[in-house]
Amino acid sequence: GQNIDQPTEMTATEGAIVQINCTYQTSGFNGLFWYQQHAGEAPTFLSYNVLDGLEEKGRFSSFLSRSKGYSYLLLKELQMKDSASYLCAVREAIGTYKYIFGTGTRLKVLA
Amino acid sequence: DAGVTQSPTHLIKTRGQQVTLRCSPKSGHDTVSWYQQALGQGPQFIFQYYEEEERQRGNFPDRFSGHQFPNYSSELNVNALLLGDSALYLCASSLNPRATRNNEQFFGPGTRLTVL
Repeated sequence: GQNIDQPTEMTATEGAIVQINCTYQTSGFNGLFWYQQHAGEAPTFLSYNVLDGLEEKGRFSSFLSRSKGYSYLLLKELQMKDSASYLCAVREAIGTYKYIFGTGTRLKVLA
Repeated sequence: DAGVTQSPTHLIKTRGQQVTLRCSPKSGHDTVSWYQQALGQGPQFIFQYYEEEERQRGNFPDRFSGHQFPNYSSELNVNALLLGDSALYLCASSLNPRATRNNEQFFGPGTRLTVL
């Protein structure tokens, strides 16, 4: 079956580093995406991994291990505005935009 | 350049009614996907349209149907509404996934549907 697991909630302090984990079991794999979603708003694209390894983009980095079915999103120098839900999504096949989303991790950044 | 737009923003309906939600994709995009996001959950894929045809469908009943127009805009129709249909309905636009390796979907702000 299809399953994507993320922690439900995390709390961190402004200026700190936080790692949000995602494990997946899907019938196929053609890329893993991370989206940020503020309450009541649309998800916005953060990162994309299709090969193993680390992708860095400013304060955000994302890692993928296909053999382990595992990814993480690393947020550095946390800011209050980073308080949001972070969604992990897997695309099962090339030529499709059908994403399988996890339930999301709600991150609270405290002053 | 306008991004993805959706209308209406909010909608309240009663059980058994029918609803139509609308989406205009980002300029230059020809593919529209619809997702349902219940409170506290991740988005669930409903279906995807390009070239005015439904190309893929998620695990949703036939009460959920759609359409894509020649200008690439799209509608989502839900018949015989149930209380469980209350959710945020998201539209995502992109380039045709068979024609490009571009990987990004752009989401609209969503339509919040409440079924009483």
